[in-house]
Amino acid sequence: QVQLQQSGPGLVKPSQTLSLTCAISGDSVSSSTAVWDWVRQSPSRGLEWLGRAYYRTKWYYDFALSVKGRISINPDTSKSQVSLQLNSVTPEDTAIYYCSRSKYTGSWYYLDYWGQGTLVTVSS
Amino acid sequence: DIVMTQTPLSLSVTPGQPASISCKSSQSVVHSDGKTYFYWYLQKAGQSPQLLIYEVSSRFSGVPDRFSGSGSGTDFTLKISRVESEDVGIYYCMQGTVLPHTFGQGTKLEIK
Repeated sequence: QVQLQQSGPGLVKPSQTLSLTCAISGDSVSSSTAVWDWVRQSPSRGLEWLGRAYYRTKWYYDFALSVKGRISINPDTSKSQVSLQLNSVTPEDTAIYYCSRSKYTGSWYYLDYWGQGTLVTVSS
Repeated sequence: DIVMTQTPLSLSVTPGQPASISCKSSQSVVHSDGKTYFYWYLQKAGQSPQLLIYEVSSRFSGVPDRFSGSGSGTDFTLKISRVESEDVGIYYCMQGTVLPHTFGQGTKLEIK
């Protein structure tokens, strides 16, 4: 059974960096059929896809334009985890952040397993 | 970005009655490989979203057969044949054909 366990601070000051970790069990971070996504949810923006990382003989990354330049996703195969960093945060980045997995099994199961979510508030 | 528009935004259904949710995309979500990467999720109160339907019409593991998805191109529908109390929550559509993946604004299902 795939499980995604998120951790990280719930309060970040404006202009600082938001950092969250997603610990993965039940699948391999470097699986050639998995993709690791980050999604956030806020009342003003709804569900918003932020970016993804996946391994296909090397690591690939895709990011939403809304956060491009501020976001990084870092897989760590030794710890079986994927982390999210979002730089230069503002109050508009206040949201529940989710990590999620997408899996190819002949069909694409996009976002089939989700972490529990982390409410991150950007405030001084 | 592809805009996903759901209707209605809320519905109240008597247990045992059917329910239907529509989702329209601002452009076709048929991929160049011929597949349509369109999904439905349910978010129950206080929980993360859960995958219900993948690739338009296939039920994900463990999803009851009262849930069905249909549609093509830009118009999609989620139907619940007989609503049960456990179906309460917010339903979201999502397209995974074009980056960035985009979600509908959600449809809140309540029980009468």
